[in-house]
Formats: sequence, C-alpha cells, structure tokens
Amino acid sequence: ETGVTQSPTHLIKTRGQQVTLRCSSQSGHNTVSWYQQALGQGPQFIFQYYREEENGRGNFPPRFSGLQFPNYSSELNVNALELDDSALYLCASSSRDRVTYEQYFGPGTRLTVT
Amino acid sequence: ELKVEQNPLFLSMQEEKNYTIYCNYSTTSDRLYWYRQDPGKSLESLFVLLSNGAVKQEGRLMASLDTKARLSTLHITAAVHDLSATYFCAVDEDNDMRFGAGTRLTVKP
Repeated sequence: ETGVTQSPTHLIKTRGQQVTLRCSSQSGHNTVSWYQQALGQGPQFIFQYYREEENGRGNFPPRFSGLQFPNYSSELNVNALELDDSALYLCASSSRDRVTYEQYFGPGTRLTVT
Repeated sequence: ELKVEQNPLFLSMQEEKNYTIYCNYSTTSDRLYWYRQDPGKSLESLFVLLSNGAVKQEGRLMASLDTKARLSTLHITAAVHDLSATYFCAVDEDNDMRFGAGTRLTVKP
C-alpha cells in the first residue's frame, strides 16, 4: 500500500504569481482534503474532493481552487499569491466508503511567498 | 460555527510524570481524531474515536471521548523524551475537519 505523496517539497514564489501543488492519494482512497498550516498553528481546512467533485470547503477565497483526477490524485491551485499564503500545505487522503473517515497525511509542500 | 479548543497550548513535563491534554469542541459530531506532529514534519494519526465512551490506548498514550460533554482527553503516562512533539485534536463534521491549535509538549529529563 503506497502512502500519500506530495510535490514539490519546497517552493518559492513571488507575490502575485500562481502556484500548483500536487498530491497522490494512498492506494484505495477516493477522497483528498487540502489544508494550510501556518507556522505555529493548526492546519486549516481548505477543501475536500470526493470522486472528482468538491465536497466541502473551508473559509478560503476563490483564488484557492482544486481538481481531482480519475485516479484520485489532486491539485491545489492558488492564484494571485499573497505574502500570507506562505505556509505548509498538506494533503490528506481517505476513503469515504469506510466508517472511520481516517485521513492519512502527505509530507507537505512548504510554500514561501516573497 | 464549529470550534475546537485545546489546553494547555504548551506543556513542559518531566520524564516519568503523567499529564492530560484536553480537547473541547462545539459540535455534536462523534468523530474525534488525535494527531502528532514533529517539527518540520507532517501529521501522524494517533487515534480515531467514533463513539461516546470510546477509549483507545497505544503505549504511553490513552485517548478517550465523552460526546455528551463534547470533550476528549489525551492522557500521557510516565512520559519519555520521545513523546516531545505537538499534539492536535480534530473534529470532523459535514466534510469539514477542524483542528485545535495544538499542544506543544516538551519532555525534559
């Protein structure tokens, strides 16, 4: 059973640019959730994708968007980057077909916006 | 609005001592999760608690859930240095996972 992977591991962007982060879900999982974790804080829920549809969204502006592909991998896109977008971005995969909804987290992508 | 509050936020313990981290939440959800995070690392799942009265133990950690009080506890028994990390509780409601602010645990000799 392969784990959750994310790419890239680190990224530096300039304010106003756009970024795409990628996540491969764990084998057998059909749900991917994305989180933003600022330094010293708990993860903040961005959105969740289930079977290629957005299935829930946190309090993030529309410039945060995502996709889920038929193989259940996912992308997080952030447009018009702001300095406050600097954070660790975590994706987590799970299976909504299982009662526990337990999520398995990837290693994260550290985004720095200058 | 779903709120999750942890306390304490910082905890410095001596080895071999016992302590408890508390997680209060505002929803009626009965899905409560505990995670561990080491500095610069991702989150590691510790426990999933799915019903009132659920208790789970792994090594020196034991988690419990009281859905009526909307309270979960993470009890640490005879702490050792390897337990130093940040511990998060999280509650899942309607496809929205909310995390507490985390408890930064330091175990000192």
